[in-house]
Amino acid sequence: GAVVSQHPSRVICKSGTSVKIECRSLDFQATTMFWYRQFPKQSLMLMATSNEGSKATYEQGVEKDKFLINHASLTLSTLTVTSAHPEDSSFYICSARFEEAFFGQGTRLTVV
Amino acid sequence: QKEVEQNSGPLSVPEGAIASLNCTYSDRGSQSFFWYRQYSGKSPELIMFIYSNGDKEDGRFTAQLNKASQYVSLLIRDSQPSDSATYLCAVNVGNTGKLIFGQGTTLQVKP
Repeated sequence: GAVVSQHPSRVICKSGTSVKIECRSLDFQATTMFWYRQFPKQSLMLMATSNEGSKATYEQGVEKDKFLINHASLTLSTLTVTSAHPEDSSFYICSARFEEAFFGQGTRLTVV
Repeated sequence: QKEVEQNSGPLSVPEGAIASLNCTYSDRGSQSFFWYRQYSGKSPELIMFIYSNGDKEDGRFTAQLNKASQYVSLLIRDSQPSDSATYLCAVNVGNTGKLIFGQGTTLQVKP
């Protein structure tokens, strides 16, 4: 299947700092990528749809000023968690669709 | 009512048995359906997708779709301990590529 690469896989940051997560489609061009968040023992919740060259579309309840999404090219989308707080600690996963949706490896964010 | 519903389990089956995982969805207009497997601490990986009513087989896996009943299932034949994971049902919203996930069913295959 298609390859989606996500980096970093694990990050620990201090409360109040910002963290950037990268999502790359390695063998196809993705005009649209998706960012999900998964809390322990819960399912994936869609946070936002990232559109190449335009603003991201956020799901209800997701703060767009806190979770900054940039989709500058057809193969790269980034999610920046700004002013992170412990409650932002979660597993963040990106996906890109090429016929079916393929997922990055995920990023385990821990805010201390 | 949740858009995609699954029994959280755990579903426990002996090695070699058939595991049956079920999922219902609320949007009658949904057209494509996906099953993902997720090991603890890892990202989901696609097992199967199905678009048409009926059965679709791939190796030990069979996906079944009944749009009239808004029901999709996944059968795993000859279950192995390595199949122990959480299985996520996902439904495509419109034709956007956006997926709505169920809460997942935890499968335990006992040797």
